Amino acid sequence: ETGVTQTPRHLVMGMTNKKSLKCEQHLGHNAMYWYKQSAKKPLELMFVYSLEERVENNSVPSRFSPECPNSSHLFLHLHTLQPEDSALYLCASSQVHVGDYGYTFGSGTRLTVV
Amino acid sequence: AQTVTQSQPEMSVQEAETVTLSCTYDTSESDYYLFWYKQPPSRQMILVIRQEAYKQQNATENRFSVNFQKAAKSFSLKISDSQLGDAAMYFCAYRTNYGGSQGNLIFGKGTKLSVKP
Repeated sequence: ETGVTQTPRHLVMGMTNKKSLKCEQHLGHNAMYWYKQSAKKPLELMFVYSLEERVENNSVPSRFSPECPNSSHLFLHLHTLQPEDSALYLCASSQVHVGDYGYTFGSGTRLTVV
Repeated sequence: AQTVTQSQPEMSVQEAETVTLSCTYDTSESDYYLFWYKQPPSRQMILVIRQEAYKQQNATENRFSVNFQKAAKSFSLKISDSQLGDAAMYFCAYRTNYGGSQGNLIFGKGTKLSVKP
């Protein structure tokens, strides 16, 4: 596989459930990102990992917990979510400090909280 | 803080015609990158074109070109010979390169482009 792969593609969960989103990149990039995309709003940056270290956490509620076990994998652990957390969650990767060719994105996980 | 504004929530173009999508941004920095991303119904964001702020020449990628006006902080995307496959959401994005430290991508709200056969 090449590029950035996200699983699952769709997820429906109750407010008391615990689930995890997975992202995997096969590009040899050294930075990974979680974005939240809601209707009629700009993409919101949630977390940034550079060289496996979390370098940014944009005031995201603690019910979202990221994990980056290595440079190729990124998880977003979810628990006790709210209906307003329903959105498309996009993962991206990039190679920082070596030119700038933008981010490579996955196809996202469509999350619905019921 | 930097902001990116796309003032056209929706645009429509006839197949084979040309359309221009607008983007303005606000920054006090002089060294940065600008991008246009396309998001088709498949949801994957695809990089369309990028522009380095210190380059005066407008970037071009096949049917896609930009009109970069640094003083006006404007970065519009022109799509020539529009095709049905161009129908998608288009996002303008900014990324600082201040001091050589690359910041994170900041996105506009997007413009939904429809292409009529």
